[in-house]
Amino acid sequence: NAGVTQTPKFQVLKTGQSMTLQCAQDMNHEYMSWYRQDPGMGLRLIHYSVGAGITDQGEVPNGYNVSRSTTEDFPLRLLSAAPSQTSVYFCASRLQARPSSYEQYFGPGTRLTVT
Amino acid sequence: AQSVTQLDSQVPVFEEAPVELRCNYSSSVSVYLFWYVQYPNQGLQLLLKYLSGSTLVESINGFEAEFNKSQTSFHLRKPSVHISDTAEYFCAVLSQAGTALIFGKGTTLSVSS
Repeated sequence: NAGVTQTPKFQVLKTGQSMTLQCAQDMNHEYMSWYRQDPGMGLRLIHYSVGAGITDQGEVPNGYNVSRSTTEDFPLRLLSAAPSQTSVYFCASRLQARPSSYEQYFGPGTRLTVT
Repeated sequence: AQSVTQLDSQVPVFEEAPVELRCNYSSSVSVYLFWYVQYPNQGLQLLLKYLSGSTLVESINGFEAEFNKSQTSFHLRKPSVHISDTAEYFCAVLSQAGTALIFGKGTTLSVSS
């Protein structure tokens, strides 16, 4: 298994540009999520999905869109990038939402800079 | 809302010294707690977890954490650290709805010789 994969690893955008961060997992996990990591802030949840066709907002959803058309993929879209979205983005997945099945796997991250 | 507080942002120690990274969480009916480690320029890896049962949980590389309900704490300890333990450590709690991990702001452990 490749686990959780993310592309690209690095990206530089200009203010106002749009882009999609890709995330895929090959473990047949129901639950997937996106976090952003900023210095001194820890990780904050942007959006999550408990299964194909079901998404919901996390703590910091503004400026981001998601969709979940397949179990494997969970892309994160920035419609109009802003400098405040400069961050490291992590995708994560786990088998199900139940704690008893809990181990959450993280991708390697995408480092995004918005100028 | 649930929250996690990591009391130290940076912890410098010498090799072979003991270390404790402190974590407190806001109280809740059911608590599921985790420690994750992030090595430089990498993603997060699960270090250990408390879901139920014994309040002392251990990892394969010598770390342990103790769930203390009365003090709402889940401190991480290691009796003797190595240079390779240098990393950022995150404490996390599962949200009440089970849909999110709520992370602390992280503690940077720096081990020097």
